[in-house]
Amino acid sequence: DIVLTQSPGTLSLSPGERATLSCRASQSVTNNYLAWYQQKPGQAPRLLIYGASSRATGIPDRFSGSGSGTDFTLTISRLEPEDFAVFYCQQYGSSPYIFGQGTKLESK
Amino acid sequence: EVQLVESGGGLVKPGGSLRLSCVGSGFSFSDYGVNWVRQAPGKGLEWVSSICRHTTNMHYADSVRGRFTISRDNAKNSLYLQMNSLRVEDTALYYCARGVAGDGTRGAFDIWGRGTVVTVSS
Repeated sequence: DIVLTQSPGTLSLSPGERATLSCRASQSVTNNYLAWYQQKPGQAPRLLIYGASSRATGIPDRFSGSGSGTDFTLTISRLEPEDFAVFYCQQYGSSPYIFGQGTKLESK
Repeated sequence: EVQLVESGGGLVKPGGSLRLSCVGSGFSFSDYGVNWVRQAPGKGLEWVSSICRHTTNMHYADSVRGRFTISRDNAKNSLYLQMNSLRVEDTALYYCARGVAGDGTRGAFDIWGRGTVVTVSS
């Protein structure tokens, strides 16, 4: 089974700064079927990125995804106050459709 | 409005059973794969199970295989999770999530319900 490792565990930044989150897979993700989700306290996760780099409906263009194979990145170009949350990557190319352990993005 | 609404959670003793339900609305439920994801208190997301639109393809996490059964009734726009032999470590908020349109189960989860809480405790 694929294992997804996200880094860093916690990222402390200020509004307006750029955030770079990493997701590394233990083996190549089929068809780059890699998604990113944002989860705020008390809320369900929200899909941000699918297929490694495609933004989901209604997601602002400050969110972007990149990468292929085993190394993927979520970038938030200029942090807004509402962006602080926990972010998860997930591979859905082959079962089990594992999630990473999450990166907490907190306001400095 | 496109939405999923879960129900059926509750308190159950170890070894007991529970059946979760999820009703979809605002979209053609039968056209999509659907999934269960859980989140233990203070922990991350854990994928549990997926089922394709025609029920011919189902997948389970190792942690639940042989104990949980996923099913759906497209005529009722409903997804189910029958949970047997429940363990303390199954305690979590259980979400249903919409997956891929078309055949198969390989799709990102674009619509999520609010979840239903399952607590396994003696």
